[in-house]
Amino acid sequence: AQSVTQLDSHVSVSEGTPVLLRCNYSSSYSPSLFWYVQHPNKGLQLLLKYTSAATLVKGINGFEAEFKKSETSFHLTKPSAHMSDAAEYFCVVTPSGSARQLTFGSGTQLTVLP
Amino acid sequence: KAGVTQTPRYLIKTRGQQVTLSCSPISGHRSVSWYQQTPGQGLQFLFEYFSETQRNKGNFPGRFSGRQFSNSRSEMNVSTLELGDSALYLCASGETRTTGYNEQFFGPGTRLTVL
Repeated sequence: AQSVTQLDSHVSVSEGTPVLLRCNYSSSYSPSLFWYVQHPNKGLQLLLKYTSAATLVKGINGFEAEFKKSETSFHLTKPSAHMSDAAEYFCVVTPSGSARQLTFGSGTQLTVLP
Repeated sequence: KAGVTQTPRYLIKTRGQQVTLSCSPISGHRSVSWYQQTPGQGLQFLFEYFSETQRNKGNFPGRFSGRQFSNSRSEMNVSTLELGDSALYLCASGETRTTGYNEQFFGPGTRLTVL
């Protein structure tokens, strides 16, 4: 079985300040982990993925995440928030090598204040 | 390449009716998955099709069904609609590689409202 817990349902940051969105996972086997972003009335877009290669993963738009097996965490960070980053972010887990059935976290709504 | 397309984008139905949603995957993709997104339950996996066969199924009642055609286009059907079926239904398509991660590309979704 597998699951993800997103520790914050809402995060607010000021433009230009760092972003931290927290995600813990549970998996009985080696997982693949992802972060997706969803802008209002849009589909889901893949930000980055961890598939057992480097533990520090860089994604699009300046986002990155670090896989920490000892802490079962996969937190998403960005050094400097931009207004266009305001959206909902989902942490996702799937069995390694089988990305067809994704298990989503409950989502974190990111607000960026001017 | 064109992205994943879903039709219709918006739909209003009444309880007891049935509905069919359509998804056209990215050209060359043979895997199509469906997800339901609601404020209360979040994003939940419905089912996945590959080469016209259902390969995976989530924990939804039998009122939810789907199929895939030889051109990889997929439809999902919900019969005897209930108020709780109001949701955004997302379709995702993916390549099929024997190893490594098959990235899934999502469509914009169909917003279903049941009155």
